[in-house]
Amino acid sequence: AQSVTQLDSQVPVFEEAPVELRCNYSSSVSVYLFWYVQYPNQGLQLLLKYLSGSTLVKGINGFEAEFNKSQTSFHLRKPSVHISDTAEYFCAVSDYKLSFGAGTTVTVRA
Amino acid sequence: DAGITQSPRYKITETGRQVTLMCHQTWSHSYMFWYRQDLGHGLRLIYYSAAADITDKGEVPDGYVVSRSKTENFPLTLESATRSQTSVYFCASGTGMNTEAFFGQGTRLTVV
Repeated sequence: AQSVTQLDSQVPVFEEAPVELRCNYSSSVSVYLFWYVQYPNQGLQLLLKYLSGSTLVKGINGFEAEFNKSQTSFHLRKPSVHISDTAEYFCAVSDYKLSFGAGTTVTVRA
Repeated sequence: DAGITQSPRYKITETGRQVTLMCHQTWSHSYMFWYRQDLGHGLRLIYYSAAADITDKGEVPDGYVVSRSKTENFPLTLESATRSQTSVYFCASGTGMNTEAFFGQGTRLTVV
């Protein structure tokens, strides 16, 4: 069975500071990994995905994530955040179906 | 416009009533999904469909019914709404079970 743990439920951060959102997964087979973003009162939008190949994945809006198989992690990073990055972020893992973490709320302050 | 649309966006209903949430996609994706989003639980899969007339249970199917007579539509029905079904419901579509899913805007359902 697969599962996803997002280690931080809330992350406050100042504008232009870096941010890292942590995600650990468990799965008995090869996985596909995703990060989604949800802005207030909207649906989820794909930020980036790891299917195979390079372990460093670049996504939209300056985000990137690194797949670490030995640590079963897929942490999301951005070197400099903007106010507009305030949102909820979901990590998801898929072997035969998508399973989502509980989410991390990022609040960017000026 | 191409995409996935849900209706209504907001719904208030009474305990015991039947309510149907609609979902329509224009991409001709074979797979469609219904999730519910609750604080602290992330998104949980209710039902999914691999093609027209093929549906299967997800993680939390009790109290819900789905149908898929046409590829583009995937309605979700709460046969007798309960307060525990107060939630935000998201419909999604995709080309497979393990590929990225494209989400609708969500329906906020309140059962009073």
